[in-house]
Amino acid sequence: DTEVTQTPKHLVMGMTNKKSLKCEQHMGHRAMYWYKQKAKKPPELMFVYSYEKLSINESVPSRFSPECPNSSLLNLHLHALQPEDSALYLCASSHLSSGTQIQETQYFGPGTRLLVL
Amino acid sequence: DAKTTQPNSMESNEEEPVHLPCNHSTISGTDYIHWYRQLPSQGPEYVIHGLTSNVNNRMASLAIAEDRKSSTLILHRATLRDAAVYYCILRDDSGAGSYQLTFGKGTKLSVIP
Repeated sequence: DTEVTQTPKHLVMGMTNKKSLKCEQHMGHRAMYWYKQKAKKPPELMFVYSYEKLSINESVPSRFSPECPNSSLLNLHLHALQPEDSALYLCASSHLSSGTQIQETQYFGPGTRLLVL
Repeated sequence: DAKTTQPNSMESNEEEPVHLPCNHSTISGTDYIHWYRQLPSQGPEYVIHGLTSNVNNRMASLAIAEDRKSSTLILHRATLRDAAVYYCILRDDSGAGSYQLTFGKGTKLSVIP
């Protein structure tokens, strides 16, 4: 099973709402990622978790709050978002090699398409 | 500064080979060359990667120039399912470390039936 699942597929929220995006994988991967992709742009890295600990935060605003409750699950909690946060949010996972990860394949989910009104 | 340069778009006829070029003139000796593709309404998927030698897998071949300043992704027989944006990515240990995939603009491949 090389599947990363994401729920919901689509989400519409107001600027005062609180919502969460969920990502799940059962490949035994210990690195998990959130990427953001604006329309007609390439994906951009937001967060990296390794061994369920946040290891990289690419200067993402605090209205995005990631959480990794266990080795299979990754959440992204959303609060007080702005319309410009509307985008496709992609989750990915990969094995963790000792040392460098530059040969590890990242497996992506289909994404959650978020619209902030 | 862009680390890789790819054509914005390319077209191919179905069942013909496709050669997708990528220039990476500032590549360092330890950078790996990765290719991912993103089909419409899907997340990116891994295609192939290499360091110096040409590589083959069930999806594609990767031809790397001897000076490593360019590479070419080869799809041997394009199908309609290969229509996607293809990203050529250099992976190194800088920035967010070796975890990061830094996507460029990619090449949008259209396959004509």
